[in-house]
Amino acid sequence: ELKVEQNPLFLSMQEGKNYTIYCNYSTTSDRLYWYRQDPGKSLESLFVLLSNGAVKQEGRLMASLDTKARLSTLHITAAVHDLSATYFCAVPPSGTYKYIFGTGTRLKVLA
Amino acid sequence: ETGVTQSPTHLIKTRGQQVTLRCSSQSGHNTVSWYQQALGQGPQFIFQYYREEENGRGNFPPRFSGLQFPNYSSELNVNALELDDSALYLCASSDWTGVDTQYFGPGTRLTVL
Repeated sequence: ELKVEQNPLFLSMQEGKNYTIYCNYSTTSDRLYWYRQDPGKSLESLFVLLSNGAVKQEGRLMASLDTKARLSTLHITAAVHDLSATYFCAVPPSGTYKYIFGTGTRLKVLA
Repeated sequence: ETGVTQSPTHLIKTRGQQVTLRCSSQSGHNTVSWYQQALGQGPQFIFQYYREEENGRGNFPPRFSGLQFPNYSSELNVNALELDDSALYLCASSDWTGVDTQYFGPGTRLTVL
């Protein structure tokens, strides 16, 4: 069974600092998705990574995918308070369209 | 373009009752997936519907069932509710083209007493 693990689970960081969230998964997949969830809200799509070596950037967030290592990273540059949320990666096992979500990383950016 | 909508927003039921949750997919999308998100956890895949047929199911018992209608809207039915069914239920729609980015609705918060 596919397992998707994220670390850290909780992250408290100062504004202006950089940090990376990691997403490891246990079986083959050629795609990976990153979502953001604010408390009590639904999930907002951030990035779709479709191939090995894919890199996407939006504002202060940059995501990358290494399908050989079964690893994706979400890098935060110069964090601001508005980035405080829970971040999930989601992986569809090869040949399926269901998403297996990671455990989530709860990010808190302190002013 | 209309996004994914769900109803109701909140729902309170008692153990043993039955519940129906509804989802309208985003315009142009033919695939609907349902997820259960318990407090503090990631969403868990329940099942997916593509053109009115179930197209995959997660590890949920048969008392979780669904439908998709010709207009691609969908229902999730849960029979014999248990306390552990208390969760946020999320519907996601997508266009089955291979990229399949799923766009999530606001969710229905179900509380089982």
